[in-house]
Amino acid sequence: AQSVTQPDARVTVSEGASLQLRCKYSYSGTPYLFWYVQYPRQGLQLLLKYYSGDPVVQGVNGFEAEFIKSNSSFHLRKASVHWSDSAVYFCAVSANTGKLTFGDGTVLTVKP
Amino acid sequence: GGIITQTPKFLIGQEGQKLTLKCQQNFNHDTMYWYRQDSGKGLRLIYYSITENDLQKGDLSEGYDASREKKSSFSLTVTSAQKNEMAVFLCASSISPAGSNSDYTFGSGTRLLVI
Repeated sequence: AQSVTQPDARVTVSEGASLQLRCKYSYSGTPYLFWYVQYPRQGLQLLLKYYSGDPVVQGVNGFEAEFIKSNSSFHLRKASVHWSDSAVYFCAVSANTGKLTFGDGTVLTVKP
Repeated sequence: GGIITQTPKFLIGQEGQKLTLKCQQNFNHDTMYWYRQDSGKGLRLIYYSITENDLQKGDLSEGYDASREKKSSFSLTVTSAQKNEMAVFLCASSISPAGSNSDYTFGSGTRLLVI
């Protein structure tokens, strides 16, 4: 079975500060990994994804994530956050069955 | 560009009522999904469909039925609404169920409240 843990339910940072949102997954095979963002009253939007190759993947709006197999982690990073980045961020893992399993999400608040 | 349309956007039901949520996509995607999102929780898979007329149960299928009569549409039925239930139901689609094309496009959700 696959699972995702996002250990931080809420993160607050100041505008312009760097950001890391943590994600750890559990899956016995080769995982496909995703980060999604959800703005209020909207569906989820894909930020970035990892399938293979370079473990550091670049996404939209300056986000990146690094796949570390030895640590079963796929943390999301951004060098300098903007107030508009305030949202809920979900990490997800996909098995080759097509089933996408999500973490519980991290609520990011960016203070002006 | 394509779009996923979920109807209705808001749904208020009564305890014991059968409620149907609809989802339409014009991406020509093969695979469609229904997820339930509770406040402060991640998304939990209810049903998915790999192709027209296919149905696969997710982790939360009990209490729900689903129907994929056309490639472009996927409906979800709450068979008996539970009092005080409040959740958002999200529909998604993807080109294929797995591999490099398995990233999803989501609809904006149907918000359910049972009184």
